[in-house]
Amino acid sequence: DAKTTQPNSMESNEEEPVHLPCNHSTISGTDYIHWYRQLPSQGPEYVIHGLTSNVNNRMASLAIAEDRKSSTLILHRATLRDAAVYYCILRPYNQGGKLIFGQGTELSVKP
Amino acid sequence: DAGVIQSPRHEVTEMGQEVTLRCKPISGHNSLFWYRQTMMRGLELLIYFNNNVPIDDSGMPEDRFSAKMPNASFSTLKIQPSEPRDSAVYFCASSSRRSASYEQYFGPGTRLTVT
Repeated sequence: DAKTTQPNSMESNEEEPVHLPCNHSTISGTDYIHWYRQLPSQGPEYVIHGLTSNVNNRMASLAIAEDRKSSTLILHRATLRDAAVYYCILRPYNQGGKLIFGQGTELSVKP
Repeated sequence: DAGVIQSPRHEVTEMGQEVTLRCKPISGHNSLFWYRQTMMRGLELLIYFNNNVPIDDSGMPEDRFSAKMPNASFSTLKIQPSEPRDSAVYFCASSSRRSASYEQYFGPGTRLTVT
């Protein structure tokens, strides 16, 4: 399984943008990039995913490098509720939705 | 929609006892996943099913663990006999293969403590 590398932790101030980086230098051409987050005492929840182009949804934006070896999850205005562990995951297109979670980035948001 | 339902939410048992965790996926979803989360090992995929058929059980730690999905609306994860190192939060998730994102919806988890 292709591996991702994320910082263990990051801090942000409330109402400021947050850029969460992810390196995936061994990504294959058919791997999708998925982001999930896990709020305290809850199961993970889907945030966003992409293949090659940048993506936006109501929760966040995903910026994918041109060579696809890295990506960045962007939270445009962090709130206290965004404090969570954020996981960057590579999903092979032919493995039926199987996800392998790494250690993720623990994001703390200061008021 | 009620989301993914797991029961029990908390389970405390003694070493050597049988433990059964239950999961009801979201109606219409045809993929189901079992995960285990501990501080030491993080979130691990144990097994997943497509259309009630086990596809990949390579994450099941040993023969003491077994999982079944007798129909599209129910799955169980059984540990027999249980050991203290099985203490963890067990999550069930479901997804629809018709969804382009294969987005997985997670249940609230079952916190298992084996003493």
